Amino acid sequence: GQQVMQIPQYQHVQEGEDFTTYCNSSTTLSNIQWYKQRPGGHPVFLIQLVKSGEVKKQKRLTFQFGEAKKNSSLHITATQTTDVGTYFCAGPVSGSARQLTFGSGTQLTVLP
Amino acid sequence: DSGVTQTPKHLITATGQRVTLRCSPRSGDLSVYWYQQSLDQGLQFLIHYYNGEERAKGNILERFSAQQFPDLHSELNLSSLELGDSALYFCASSVIDQGNTIYFGEGSWLTVV
Repeated sequence: GQQVMQIPQYQHVQEGEDFTTYCNSSTTLSNIQWYKQRPGGHPVFLIQLVKSGEVKKQKRLTFQFGEAKKNSSLHITATQTTDVGTYFCAGPVSGSARQLTFGSGTQLTVLP
Repeated sequence: DSGVTQTPKHLITATGQRVTLRCSPRSGDLSVYWYQQSLDQGLQFLIHYYNGEERAKGNILERFSAQQFPDLHSELNLSSLELGDSALYFCASSVIDQGNTIYFGEGSWLTVV
């Protein structure tokens, strides 16, 4: 079945350093979404990318969707302690636009 | 606050028992999704309902079942519980049923002892 892989699984950074998480799908995605889950919290929608090669920014966060629509990345510039959490990518399962498959997530720890 | 309400927030029960988790979607949302998140695990899709009808099934065990009622709230029934069923169960909702943005509730923590 379709798989959505994320790397790295864990990332520890010093506050102020940059952070990037990568998402790869075994199949082409019609769109990709990113969610953030704070420790002890629930996943919260961050953004959706739809077009091939699309780049979107939210303050210090930059999201990219690959040209082949099979990979995506989230880059955080100058991390802050408020960035701590697990970042998930998610895409519709091929053949079933009704089901979102989530990546395994990248757990970010920011050391003050 | 996402607008998705889940009850109970925490539940401790014994092996072999049955529990029911409840979810009220955001006002106006017709789709309800259930996900399971085990410790240090990702989000495993269980099942999706749209306006009362089952639309997609993921890796949901036969011991688990769900339904969506006419008022659009949903219940996830877990029976013959095993230790490995201990997890955080999330409900999420969306307006339509085509892989769009979904909004998660705060989850129900289930501990099976």
